[in-house]
Amino acid sequence: GQSLEQPSEVTAVEGAIVQINCTYQTSGFYGLSWYQQHDGGAPTFLSYNALDGLEETGRFSSFLSRSDSYGYLLLQELQMKDSASYFCAVPSGNTPLVFGKGTRLSVIA
Amino acid sequence: EPEVTQTPSHQVTQMGQEVILRCVPISNHLYFYWYRQILGQKVEFLVSFYNNEISEKSEIFDDQFSVERPDGSNFTLKIRSTKLEDSAMYFCASKYEGETQYFGPGTRLLVL
Repeated sequence: GQSLEQPSEVTAVEGAIVQINCTYQTSGFYGLSWYQQHDGGAPTFLSYNALDGLEETGRFSSFLSRSDSYGYLLLQELQMKDSASYFCAVPSGNTPLVFGKGTRLSVIA
Repeated sequence: EPEVTQTPSHQVTQMGQEVILRCVPISNHLYFYWYRQILGQKVEFLVSFYNNEISEKSEIFDDQFSVERPDGSNFTLKIRSTKLEDSAMYFCASKYEGETQYFGPGTRLLVL
């Protein structure tokens, strides 16, 4: 089976940098994805890492270490609109996603 | 930009009733999924569909659930006899290939 662990809540100040960690245990590993979900909204794809290292997309970056079964999402220059839940997820089998429980990010002024 | 659509946005039903949730995936996508999210909890996989058949399903997807792709555009989830614990947000998702799944806005189902 698959299990993912991530912090339940993180609070950060507008303009700052925040890192959301995710550790996983999987039987077979294809890669690690990150999704953003605003309250009442749908999950929106942010990034995917299949290989070790850092992937950068604008203010968001994602890192993966396969040997450590660990990844993180880095959000820079935080904005109030970044307040949302962030889920790490791994594909399983024919790539349905198994999600972590999510990290609720609160950005404060 | 193409998007996944779902109808209805909200559905209220009585326990024991049948409901059908509808989804229109992005037109050239090949893989289709249903997920659900109970309020305040994580998103959970229900079923995946490829090449006109179920390719994988979770323990949640028991005999009360079924999926269909009745034509070239719609993808439906049917719950035959709803239970109180079926109350959740149901998301449809699709993808062409690769790892990026595109989620619809969801249907909020409330079973009374």
